[in-house]
Amino acid sequence: DVKVTQSSRYLVKRTGEKVFLECVQDMDHENMFWYRQDPGLGLRLIYFSYDVKMKEKGDIPEGYSVSREKKERFSLILESASTNQTSMYLCASRPGLGYVQYFGPGTRLTVT
Amino acid sequence: AQRVTQPEKLLSVFKGAPVELKCNYSYSGSPELFWYVQYSRQRLQLLLRHISRESIKGFTADLNKGETSFHLKKPFAQEEDSAMYYCALSRITGGGNKLTFGTGTQLKVEL
Repeated sequence: DVKVTQSSRYLVKRTGEKVFLECVQDMDHENMFWYRQDPGLGLRLIYFSYDVKMKEKGDIPEGYSVSREKKERFSLILESASTNQTSMYLCASRPGLGYVQYFGPGTRLTVT
Repeated sequence: AQRVTQPEKLLSVFKGAPVELKCNYSYSGSPELFWYVQYSRQRLQLLLRHISRESIKGFTADLNKGETSFHLKKPFAQEEDSAMYYCALSRITGGGNKLTFGTGTQLKVEL
């Protein structure tokens, strides 16, 4: 059974703080993704990693960066959090091209 | 550019009534389409994909390339079908194929 875990379910940070969101998968998946989920906007892709140390920008990368030093872990970094980054963040992984994505439970981030 | 449109934010039906969740897409390539579902307090999960051509939990979806649609249907709604449903389109980019999601439709099945 595929397991994608995210380090926190709820997080509250202040404007200007550096924020790390962690995602871990235990199925040796090649590809990992970060999305944000907002009411009325659906899911939007922030960044995508297709291999260790390999990344590609998604549709809304501004204000975010990512790190993938190990295959099982994909981190999303908010260098200087802003209130418009308050959202639900979803991580996903998949074995490779053509496979279904498996999602984590999400991290609800509030920036005050 | 690729786009997925789900025109209804909320769809409310009575138990036992037919359900149709609409999804239209625009994509210049050969589309691969999915329906994902998120039940209350659960993670997002795949419901079905068009290449499988199977029925999951009584739901079916047919890809209509002429109308660029991939509507999700179920003949008789059940209370446990209440959830948020997202239509998604797989697109090819430099690093591989990625998903473009619609804005979602909240299905509420009333007794």
